[in-house]
Amino acid sequence: GENVEQHPSTLSVQEGDSAVIKCTYSDSASNYFPWYKQELGKRPQLIIDIRSNVGEKKDQRIAVTLNKTAKHFSLHITETQPEDSAVYFCAASWNRYSTLTFGKGTMLLVSP
Amino acid sequence: EPEVTQTPSHQVTQMGQEVILRCVPISNHLYFYWYRQILGQKVEFLVSFYNNEISEKSEIFDDQFSVERPDGSNFTLKIRSTKLEDSAMYFCASNEGLEPYTDTQYFGPGTRLTVL
Repeated sequence: GENVEQHPSTLSVQEGDSAVIKCTYSDSASNYFPWYKQELGKRPQLIIDIRSNVGEKKDQRIAVTLNKTAKHFSLHITETQPEDSAVYFCAASWNRYSTLTFGKGTMLLVSP
Repeated sequence: EPEVTQTPSHQVTQMGQEVILRCVPISNHLYFYWYRQILGQKVEFLVSFYNNEISEKSEIFDDQFSVERPDGSNFTLKIRSTKLEDSAMYFCASNEGLEPYTDTQYFGPGTRLTVL
């Protein structure tokens, strides 16, 4: 099965700064990498995803990069705002059923 | 926008009791999943379900667990004899099933299960 490592576990930034969260995966067959944002007590919400035929994808202040050779992918948030504060999970899909293996999560704290 | 729904939002039960957690996936979706999240930890895969049968299950999904799609809309997770360590948030998810390996999964709001 797949194993996903995520760093850092906690990230504190000032409002307006950029934040970067990194994940590595073990199964070279994985080819779908979503990022979920989870606010306290709420469901994981998909914020961006990338498929293995693409190296980078951007959606306004959020971007994801993928390096298949090195088996790592990263989430970049620019111009952070206090409402970006949440736990962010990376995941990798490793079988035809699109089963997700999650990283341990990063708690992002954006201070005003 | 259609959403996955789950009931109840919170379930409290005594150790050894059976519980059934209910989910209504998005109506045109074909793949259904259960995940769990112990407080403060990562989301863990339990089971996937397609075409009225289990397609994949994790080591966590032992004989105490079962899933069922009793009608055209509901998808249930049953825990036969709950243990203290079953206390967690249980999330249901679904996807369209059109793109194997790469389909976007949509999560329900979760059921918090507390076993006393």
